[in-house]
Amino acid sequence: NAGVTQTPKFQVLKTGQSMTLQCAQDMNHEYMSWYRQDPGMGLRLIHYSVGAGITDQGEVPNGYNVSRSTTEDFPLRLLSAAPSQTSVYFCASSLYSTESYEQYFGPGTRLTVT
Amino acid sequence: GNSVTQMEGPVTLSEEAFLTINCTYTATGYPSLFWYVQYPGEGLQLLLKATKADDKGSNKGFEATYRKETTSFHLEKGSVQVSDSAVYFCALSYSGGGADGLTFGKGTHLIIQP
Repeated sequence: NAGVTQTPKFQVLKTGQSMTLQCAQDMNHEYMSWYRQDPGMGLRLIHYSVGAGITDQGEVPNGYNVSRSTTEDFPLRLLSAAPSQTSVYFCASSLYSTESYEQYFGPGTRLTVT
Repeated sequence: GNSVTQMEGPVTLSEEAFLTINCTYTATGYPSLFWYVQYPGEGLQLLLKATKADDKGSNKGFEATYRKETTSFHLEKGSVQVSDSAVYFCALSYSGGGADGLTFGKGTHLIIQP
């Protein structure tokens, strides 16, 4: 199993450009999520999905869109990049269960918006 | 809302020293508690977890006990190694099903000197 994969690893955008961060998992996990990591802020939840066709907002959703057409993929879209979106983005997945669960994280995408 | 507070870093110790990283939380109900570790350039990995009061999570010589009376989940290790140098995140999940994602502390950077 590859686990959780993210592409690209690094990206530089100009203000106003759009792009999609890719995330895929091969563990048949129902639950997937996106976090951003900023210095001194820890990780903050952007969006999450509990299954194909179902998404919801996390703590910091503004400026980001998501969709979930398959169990495996959960792309994050920036429609009009802003310097405030400079961050490291992590995708995570887990089984959806009423029991305590473990989230598996991808290696991250480092995004710089100039 | 839910929140997690961890001691500020960086924390610098000598090899074989005793480690404590403090973590306290604010949440209603009975969250599950986690410690995640992030090695340089990598995503987060689950280090240990506890799902109910008085549970002790342990892994790789690290341990933490879920103390509901003090709303704490302090991380300890009796003898640290250089390879333990990393950033450690305390986190909670209020929803056992994971629908709300994880709420993270800001992270503690641990540096172990030979």
